[in-house]
Amino acid sequence: GAVVSQHPSRVICKSGTSVKIECRSLDFQATTMFWYRQFPKQSLMLMATSNEGSKATYEQGVEKDKFLINHASLTLSTLTVTSAHPEDSSFYICSATTDTEAFFGQGTRLTVV
Amino acid sequence: AQSVTQLGSHVSVSEGALVLLRCNYSSSVPPYLFWYVQYPNQGLQLLLKYTSAATLVKGINGFEAEFKKSETSFHLTKPSAHMSDAAEYFCAVSGNFGNEKLTFGTGTRLTIIP
Repeated sequence: GAVVSQHPSRVICKSGTSVKIECRSLDFQATTMFWYRQFPKQSLMLMATSNEGSKATYEQGVEKDKFLINHASLTLSTLTVTSAHPEDSSFYICSATTDTEAFFGQGTRLTVV
Repeated sequence: AQSVTQLGSHVSVSEGALVLLRCNYSSSVPPYLFWYVQYPNQGLQLLLKYTSAATLVKGINGFEAEFKKSETSFHLTKPSAHMSDAAEYFCAVSGNFGNEKLTFGTGTRLTIIP
């Protein structure tokens, strides 16, 4: 099956710093990429939808200036958490889609201290 | 608007017993339904999907699910549980195959009792 690589898998950062998470589709070109956030023992909540070459569409309640999404190519999307705070600590998962299926990255565990 | 309800946040079954994880959906358009499995600190792996073809869908690892429009349900079953099935399971709905966002249920943690 198709492979989506998400990096890093774990990151610890200091409060106030920024963290970049990469999501790459390794063997296919993704029509669309999605970014989800998962709180402990909870479901995945969609943060934003990203299409190559256009601005991301953010879900209601998600701060676009805090969670910067760049979709530079059909195989790469990045999520930057700016001025991170402890409440941003979470598990972030990306999804890259073709016309028929969504493929998920391994997730990134972000801990802000 | 679409939504998914998973009944039972935790399910425990004995090894070798039937696994039944419940999922009910709400959708204003013909739904596409999915079951995903998540192991600790990992992403999601697709178990199976319903895309308006056969109502009984067979997936990986011996799982299957049946789409019942009259009951708006898409329950996941496996005849005989294995220890390796212990994980978190998510039901999800979409209005399309894949390039639309997925709306997830709250998940069901499956525990297998030896």
